[in-house]
Amino acid sequence: EAGVAQSPRYKIIEKRQSVAFWCNPISGHATLYWYQQILGQGPKLLIQFQNNGVVDDSQLPKDRFSAERLKGVDSTLKIQPAKLEDSAVYLCASSFLGAQELFFGEGSRLTVL
Amino acid sequence: KQEVTQIPAALSVPEGENLVLNCSFTDSAIYNLQWFRQDPGKGLTSLLLIQSSQREQTSGRLNASLDKSSGRSTLYIAASQPGDSATYLCAVPRNSGGYQKVTFGIGTKLQVIP
Repeated sequence: EAGVAQSPRYKIIEKRQSVAFWCNPISGHATLYWYQQILGQGPKLLIQFQNNGVVDDSQLPKDRFSAERLKGVDSTLKIQPAKLEDSAVYLCASSFLGAQELFFGEGSRLTVL
Repeated sequence: KQEVTQIPAALSVPEGENLVLNCSFTDSAIYNLQWFRQDPGKGLTSLLLIQSSQREQTSGRLNASLDKSSGRSTLYIAASQPGDSATYLCAVPRNSGGYQKVTFGIGTKLQVIP
């Protein structure tokens, strides 16, 4: 069974530029999560989708971050414009439904210069 | 609001030692509790999932226990090996508006010395 796929693995950009990350969850998983993990901290939820609907985006900085999950399968997270403090690993996870085991991708490491 | 604390923040042990990692949470109305391992520069790998109705789960040299009433979970690693060196995180999901909301601890960084 294929795991959660993420790309790119690494991205270096200058501040004020834009960047997009892609995630393809495990087949059949209805719930998709984007987390931000700053070095030395635990993952922080940015946005949670149930199928193609948003169920929690309370910690998403909506002035610069956006995410979509078209057709309830893969998802894209965009940052525009990026700030220095956005340097982090962006983790995508999926679960079959709520209250189920989480599976994570390898993450996308963003460095903003 | 759920708060998850992991103690110790870092741990260094000689190879072969048995060790215990701790996770505590403030809201006991949880679905389950999941332990993860994270290697540097990598994503999170699921180790064990304990349902809220269970007391413990075992996988190989790993044993995780859950005491919902006291808001605590422990991860026991037997006969530690250098390959166990990683950061271990616990994740605690609870019901929030009908959906699963997951809170993570900041992790315990384990170093096993050969």
